[in-house]
Amino acid sequence: GESVGLHLPTLSVQEGDNSIINCAYSNSASDYFIWYKQESGKGPQFIIDIRSNMDKRQGQRVTVLLNKTVKHLSLQIAATQPGDSAVYFCADRLPGNQFYFGTGTSLTVIP
Amino acid sequence: DAGITQSPRHKVTETGTPVTLRCHQTENHRYMYWYRQDPGHGLRLIHYSYGVKDTDKGEVSDGYSVSRSKTEDFLLTLESATSSQTSVYFCAISDGQGNQPQHFGDGTRLSIL
Repeated sequence: GESVGLHLPTLSVQEGDNSIINCAYSNSASDYFIWYKQESGKGPQFIIDIRSNMDKRQGQRVTVLLNKTVKHLSLQIAATQPGDSAVYFCADRLPGNQFYFGTGTSLTVIP
Repeated sequence: DAGITQSPRHKVTETGTPVTLRCHQTENHRYMYWYRQDPGHGLRLIHYSYGVKDTDKGEVSDGYSVSRSKTEDFLLTLESATSSQTSVYFCAISDGQGNQPQHFGDGTRLSIL
């Protein structure tokens, strides 16, 4: 079956530094990718997405990079803030509008 | 925030009892999904709906049933709850048009003793 995984289960960064969270996916048919942020006790919150015909997309303080050759996705957070502390996970979509989710990386921002 | 309400938010029940979780949306989206979230696993799809009375199974559908009689409501039923169904359950919606993400409710924490 589909497998979307994250390289590191936890990540700690100093406030103000940049954070990079990685994700691998396995299905070449995936055509759309999403990053979510999940805070304790809440549902996943959409951060940024990217289509398979793009390799980079920027938002406010976040950038997603897609490398289809190695089936790798990353989320970069610039100037990480304490409010960025959360679990981050990626999702990819296969034809039929079904999404598959990674297990998540827990980001801790150290003040 | 997407208009998604899950109820109840917390529930404790006993093995063998029936349980129904409700997801209500105000976005008029076509697709609705039920996921469970467990430690060490990503969100896993239980069932989804692509329209009123149109549903299909996900990867972990055993022991669960769903119904969608109205666009805005998607019900998840555990006919006879087991301890392995203790989990956090999330509902999600999407309009299915082009490249649009799913939006999630805040979850239901279900404990089966």
